[in-house]
Amino acid sequence: DVKVTQSSRYLVKRTGEKVFLECVQDMDHENMFWYRQDPGLGLRLIYFSYDVKMKEKGDIPEGYSVSREKKERFSLILESASTNQTSMYLCASSSPGLEVLAGPDDYNEQFFGPGTRLTVL
Amino acid sequence: DAKTTQPPSMDCAEGRAANLPCNHSTISGNEYVYWYRQIHSQGPQYIIHGLKNNETNEMASLIITEDRKSSTLILPHATLRDTAVYYCIVRVANNNAGNMLTFGGGTRLMVKP
Repeated sequence: DVKVTQSSRYLVKRTGEKVFLECVQDMDHENMFWYRQDPGLGLRLIYFSYDVKMKEKGDIPEGYSVSREKKERFSLILESASTNQTSMYLCASSSPGLEVLAGPDDYNEQFFGPGTRLTVL
Repeated sequence: DAKTTQPPSMDCAEGRAANLPCNHSTISGNEYVYWYRQIHSQGPQYIIHGLKNNETNEMASLIITEDRKSSTLILPHATLRDTAVYYCIVRVANNNAGNMLTFGGGTRLMVKP
C-alpha cells in the first residue's frame, strides 16, 4: 500500500539546469516535508508546508524553492542545479500539528517516500 | 531543540537482542523521544515513540530513564532485515507544522549471522 511516492528514484542533471522533484501522498495529510540526506550529516530539513500554498524554510533552504498547489503534492525546485546539490532527497508527510501537551496517541508519525538520488554533473 | 547523541555503529548477532542507546540530556518536559530507522535505499520508517513511560509495540521496546536524559531502543530478537541506520529524535513541537523532526547521524546497526 503505497502512501508517499516520489517522481524518480534516480536523476542525473547538469549544472545550471532547473530541476523539479515531485512528491505525492495519498493520506490526506496537511504537513509535507523535503529533506536531503548526505553521508555523515544525517537528514536535514530543506522546506516544509503545513497547508496548501503555505511554506516554511527549514534548516538549509538556500538554493531551493517549493510549491504546494494541491494538498497531496509538494514539489521541490532547484532553480539552477549545482554540484553541491548532489544528494538523496526524501519527501515526508504527516497529519496536522499539535499543541505541545498533546495526548499520547497523537504522535504524528512522518511517512517517508523512497527517496530520489540526484546527481548534478 | 534538544540534541541527541548516538554511537555511530553497533554490531549484533542474529537472534540476540539489540540495544541501541541514545543520550538527550537537554530534552524538555514536553518533548517526546522518537525512533526511526532507515534501511538501505529506502526512506526512514517510524518505529516507536515515548514521553516518559517505557513503551512496547510489535517492532521494539523503548526504555526511557527516569530523568529522561537517555533512552534505549531494544529489538528483542534481531534479524538480518533489521540491519539499518537507527535514528533517535526528540520531537520539536511546532503548532504550524506538526512534529518537525531533526535527524542526527544515527547508529548504523549491523546484524550478523
